[in-house]
Amino acid sequence: GAVVSQHPSWVICKSGTSVKIECRSLDFQATTMFWYRQFPKQSLMLMATSNEGSKATYEQGVEKDKFLINHASLTLSTLTVTSAHPEDSSFYICSASGTLGTEETQYFGPGTRLLVL
Amino acid sequence: SQKIEQNSEALNIQEGKTATLTCNYTNYSPAYLQWYRQDPGRGPVFLLLIRENEKEKRKERLKVTFDTTLKQSLFHITASQPADSATYLCALDSSSNTGKLIFGQGTTLQVKP
Repeated sequence: GAVVSQHPSWVICKSGTSVKIECRSLDFQATTMFWYRQFPKQSLMLMATSNEGSKATYEQGVEKDKFLINHASLTLSTLTVTSAHPEDSSFYICSASGTLGTEETQYFGPGTRLLVL
Repeated sequence: SQKIEQNSEALNIQEGKTATLTCNYTNYSPAYLQWYRQDPGRGPVFLLLIRENEKEKRKERLKVTFDTTLKQSLFHITASQPADSATYLCALDSSSNTGKLIFGQGTTLQVKP
């Protein structure tokens, strides 16, 4: 099956620092990547939709200047949490859709757990 | 307001029985609905997609129904096994041609040997 990887799998950082999370599709071309955030015992909340070569589309309430998304190639998207604060601590998950399966199928990465101290 | 709801209480069943999970939605008109499995600390794994013009879809021990009149999808696991223990998420497309999914909060299934 399709493989989507995320790096790092977990990160601990100090408040005020920036953290970059990478999302890669390993065996298919991801024309669209999605970034989600999941708090404990809650559902996945879509943060933004990223299409290769164009600006990301952010969901209502998500600060685009705080969560910088870059989708520079068909296999890589990055999410940078700028000036992270403790309330940004969460489980960040990316997904990708593209040349594999149906256009509606999203393949998820394993997630990145962020803890901001 | 728009809502997608799954039973937030955990479902506990005995091995070998059929597990049935429910997903209800309001004020959406999805073209399709998907079911995912999520294990603790991991990303969701795609299981099944059912379109609005399909009543039922099967994959091995899994069966999904989609009733657009009741605005409900049922997810069944037959001959359940302890390895089926996980959280199951339903998701529907929020608007046409964007690929954006709206997820329910998930139902945790525990299959006891």
